[in-house]
Amino acid sequence: ELKVEQNPLFLSMQEGKNYTIYCNYSTTSDRLYWYRQDPGKSLESLFVLLSNGAVKQEGRLMASLDTKARLSTLHITAAVHDLSATYFCAVVGSYNTDKLIFGTGTRLQVFP
Amino acid sequence: DAMVIQNPRYQVTQFGKPVTLSCSQTLNHNVMYWYQQKSSQAPKLLFHYYDKDFNNEADTPDNFQSRRPNTSFCFLDIRSPGLGDAAMYLCATSKNPARGRKSSYEQYFGPGTRLTVT
Repeated sequence: ELKVEQNPLFLSMQEGKNYTIYCNYSTTSDRLYWYRQDPGKSLESLFVLLSNGAVKQEGRLMASLDTKARLSTLHITAAVHDLSATYFCAVVGSYNTDKLIFGTGTRLQVFP
Repeated sequence: DAMVIQNPRYQVTQFGKPVTLSCSQTLNHNVMYWYQQKSSQAPKLLFHYYDKDFNNEADTPDNFQSRRPNTSFCFLDIRSPGLGDAAMYLCATSKNPARGRKSSYEQYFGPGTRLTVT
């Protein structure tokens, strides 16, 4: 059974600092997604990573995928308060077509 | 703009009183999903439709049913809501042109319906 773990579960960081969120998954997959969720809201797609070595950047966020290590990272550069949200990674297992297995989520709080 | 729409956005129902949540999409996607997300947890897939074919997750309670009368609409029926069914219900869609093969399209989520059970 495919399992997806994120760490940390909770991250409190100061504005201007850098940090990385990690997403580990247990079985082969070459398809990984990062979502953002604000309190009480739905999921907003951030990145779609479709191959080993894929790297995508949008503003202060950069995501990468290492399928051999079964690891994805979401790097935050010079955090700002607007980035405060919960971030989920989600993986499609190789034996499934479209079923997404979500990670536990990382709740990010950025303070001045 | 093409989108995924969910109604109502907030639903309050009484314990044991059937409730129906709706989802519609203008993306013309052939796959539609229903997720349940409880407070401080990750979304959990309940079931999905590939075209008209219904696919239930093994651990989805019988209390949850779904209907897809056409490509654009999908309904989630909760026959006898319990207090433990209070959650955000998320509808999502994707395009998968070849069954049994991975889609190259991501899932697009609707705004969700917050269900409260009293």
